[in-house]
Amino acid sequence: QQQVRQSPQSLTVWEGETAILNCSYEDSTFDYFPWYWQFPRESPALLIAIRPVSNKKEDGRFTIFFNKREKKLSLHITDSQPGDSATYFCAASAASGSWQLIFGSGTQLTVMP
Amino acid sequence: GPKVLQIPSHQIIDMGQMVTLNCDPVSNHLYFYWYKQILGQQMEFLVNFYNGKVMEKSKLFKDQFSVERPDGSYFTLKIQPTALEDSAVYFCASSPGQSSYEQYFGPGTRLTVL
Repeated sequence: QQQVRQSPQSLTVWEGETAILNCSYEDSTFDYFPWYWQFPRESPALLIAIRPVSNKKEDGRFTIFFNKREKKLSLHITDSQPGDSATYFCAASAASGSWQLIFGSGTQLTVMP
Repeated sequence: GPKVLQIPSHQIIDMGQMVTLNCDPVSNHLYFYWYKQILGQQMEFLVNFYNGKVMEKSKLFKDQFSVERPDGSYFTLKIQPTALEDSAVYFCASSPGQSSYEQYFGPGTRLTVL
């Protein structure tokens, strides 16, 4: 059973549009949710992260919206750029008791110029 | 930003052989991790390591797997003997410790077991 689910599997948007990537989780003890992005043949890199004390975290064009009751979160990328084209992984951790990250299967985002 | 290095980038070996994957973590980091990613699937946690000891391991961390970081050198993942299902990309990560949860990932080692 997957503990972290992502949708859609792939997403194509036009340059300037807002891309919305979805994530849901099972374990209510998860208390740290990072999003990583990965370009082909490169390391996954931390993009933005949120802890459940907040329901929103913003960093430039990237915003996480978090709904603890529904165990859902989403990553919004406004004014999408072709350089944003990558695979985005949602992850979760019960950081107070564990350091392992549980990853979703990723969303492959393509931004068309 | 901080970089985690992994050596080699690719490794091809015959089933049953031993392989050692090497990771050079960020210099002041205290926690070290290995993750496994089979082509087209998500990264899955294998093990984390702190202060010379395995802290957590998943069911993917079979008895044939071992980790160590002798004398602060490379953090290594050894598989002995290898099996066909060990073919995957192995990512090493490190994190500073209790002050930050952020894990920094290396570029991965692609292991092919024939």
